[in-house]
Amino acid sequence: ETGVTQSPTHLIKTRGQQVTLRCSSQSGHNTVSWYQQALGQGPQFIFQYYREEENGRGNFPPRFSGLQFPNYSSELNVNALELDDSALYLCASKSSGGRDTGELFFGEGSRLTVL
Amino acid sequence: KQEVTQIPAALSVPEGENLVLNCSFTDSAIYNLQWFRQDPGKGLTSLLLIQSSQREQTSGRLNASLDKSSGRSTLYIAASQPGDSATYLCAVPVGWGSQGNLIFGKGTKLSVKP
Repeated sequence: ETGVTQSPTHLIKTRGQQVTLRCSSQSGHNTVSWYQQALGQGPQFIFQYYREEENGRGNFPPRFSGLQFPNYSSELNVNALELDDSALYLCASKSSGGRDTGELFFGEGSRLTVL
Repeated sequence: KQEVTQIPAALSVPEGENLVLNCSFTDSAIYNLQWFRQDPGKGLTSLLLIQSSQREQTSGRLNASLDKSSGRSTLYIAASQPGDSATYLCAVPVGWGSQGNLIFGKGTKLSVKP
């Protein structure tokens, strides 16, 4: 069974640029969510995708957007990067529906640094 | 609004000691509670999931309990080892049902000294 995989693991951008982060969900999982974790803090929910549609969103501005593809993989896009966007971005997946236990499984994260 | 608090923020213990990490939440109407481990700069590893109908779950040297009425959960680690050094996070879903996103505490940073 393949776990949640994320790419890239590290990247550096400058303020105002755009970034795309990628996530492949765990085998058999159809729901993907994204979290932002600043240093020393717990992860904060950005949004969740189910059946290629956003079905939940946290307190993040519209410049944070995402996609889910038919194979359940997902992208997180952030436009007009700000210094405060520097964080570890975590992708998580689970199985929604009859096999859903509510347990979330996380990837290793993408560390974004904005200069 | 659901809030999750973890005490202590950091803990240092000698190897072999049994220890308890605490997690409290303000809204007792939770669907489940999940404990995670996070190594520095890494992702989250799921340790234990306790459903709202359960009072505890065990995995190896780990035991997690849940008391919804008091809004508390504890993670008990028996016979701690240096390899247990990490940050431990607890999280509960927002709202009822399994669709809710998770609200996390800030974590307890555990250091186990040889």
